[in-house]
Amino acid sequence: EIVMTQSPATLSVSPGERATLSCRASQSVSSNLAWYQQKPGQAPRLLIYGASTRATGIPARFSGSGSGTEFTLTISSLQSEDFAVYYCQQYNNWPLTFGPGTKVDIK
Amino acid sequence: QITLKESGPTLVKPTQTLTLTCTFSGFSLSTSGVGVGWIRQPPGKALEWLALIYWDDDKRYSPSLKSRLTITKDTSKNQVVLTMTNMDPVDTATYYCAHSTGVAWGQGTLVTVSS
Repeated sequence: EIVMTQSPATLSVSPGERATLSCRASQSVSSNLAWYQQKPGQAPRLLIYGASTRATGIPARFSGSGSGTEFTLTISSLQSEDFAVYYCQQYNNWPLTFGPGTKVDIK
Repeated sequence: QITLKESGPTLVKPTQTLTLTCTFSGFSLSTSGVGVGWIRQPPGKALEWLALIYWDDDKRYSPSLKSRLTITKDTSKNQVVLTMTNMDPVDTATYYCAHSTGVAWGQGTLVTVSS
């Protein structure tokens, strides 16, 4: 099973600032990596797939990069609606696995 | 527009079998490449894929839960059913169904395991 790790566990950011979230896989997942956003009481929402492709309707301030074992999600200028938990997930191998999440909260 | 919705009991007793139904629209499970899966999330914890079924009836299960899970599909009804046997309080979680690409998820259903 591929183990996904995320850092930091919590990221405190002021509105308008840039946020950089990291995700690491225990073995290569190529570019088969997705990022999700989850707000309290809601289902996860797909932000990025293929490591760097924004899903339909996702604002351009969200960008993804990386391949192999190291990935990054960048939110260029945090808006109030972006404060949430972010999960990475590999879909290169079954079982599909999520990271433990990074909570982005207001500084 | 793709939509999915979970249905099933909100409370089950320990040792009982849980049966959840995912009813979807906006796509067909007879289309090549398409799948529907189940994911759960214990309160305050991370997400965990449980099972996935594809258009050709290929089925995948979480290795740690494989002995307890069964996933089936009814293409004519646009439904996918997950059964989980021998429920335990640690199985208390919100259970989601989702399109295999992750592009759409159901709202989730909280299942509590308690006597």
